[in-house]
Amino acid sequence: DAKTTQPPSMDCAEGRAANLPCNHSTISGNEYVYWYRQIHSQGPQYIIHGLKNNETNEMASLIITEDRKSSTLILPHATLRDTAVYYCIVRVGRGQAGTALIFGKGTTLSVSS
Amino acid sequence: NAGVMQNPRHLVRRRGQEARLRCSPMKGHSHVYWYRQLPEEGLKFMVYLQKENIIDESGMPKERFSAEFPKEGPSILRIQQVVRGDSAAYFCASSPSGQEGFFGQGTRLTVV
Repeated sequence: DAKTTQPPSMDCAEGRAANLPCNHSTISGNEYVYWYRQIHSQGPQYIIHGLKNNETNEMASLIITEDRKSSTLILPHATLRDTAVYYCIVRVGRGQAGTALIFGKGTTLSVSS
Repeated sequence: NAGVMQNPRHLVRRRGQEARLRCSPMKGHSHVYWYRQLPEEGLKFMVYLQKENIIDESGMPKERFSAEFPKEGPSILRIQQVVRGDSAAYFCASSPSGQEGFFGQGTRLTVV
């Protein structure tokens, strides 16, 4: 079973920031938070990951609470092409043996003009 | 650097036939994962392989399904004697270190 909880759906206006929450209250000290998205019928796309510090890349920002029990993925200026299912996943981090991604139901983000 | 390549993109098989799905990982990636996505459902892990070794096959059905990742060539997911319930999208992901996975565009298997 997925170790994360996400809202099933969210709406966002084009050009506005999309803030997608994720609860992972049972996260272990060696587990990272990963975010992927799946645009309809395509393969999942890696977005970002982090351990405890906030992270930013060209796609998004990841804000992890100090107690690491929740996080928020931020798409700063959502576009119509960001409409997708977003998955928050926790898994063991670097240096550990590879483990599979356990996908939950994710959040369906709908961006509208 | 080409991404993860899966072929064929679409595959139609009659019940009882064999299906062979291929996954060529990104250059330099020695870790491959296979996932299955049934219609209107989420992705489910099937098997994790490193070159010539199966590391974790806990998500593979016990019968009819097998996977390999030879020293040379693509990873192959093989489904023998397909049934209608095998109809799904099959995705593979590759990684250089077993961490971030880069996914292919999937193979959509339809069993008729």
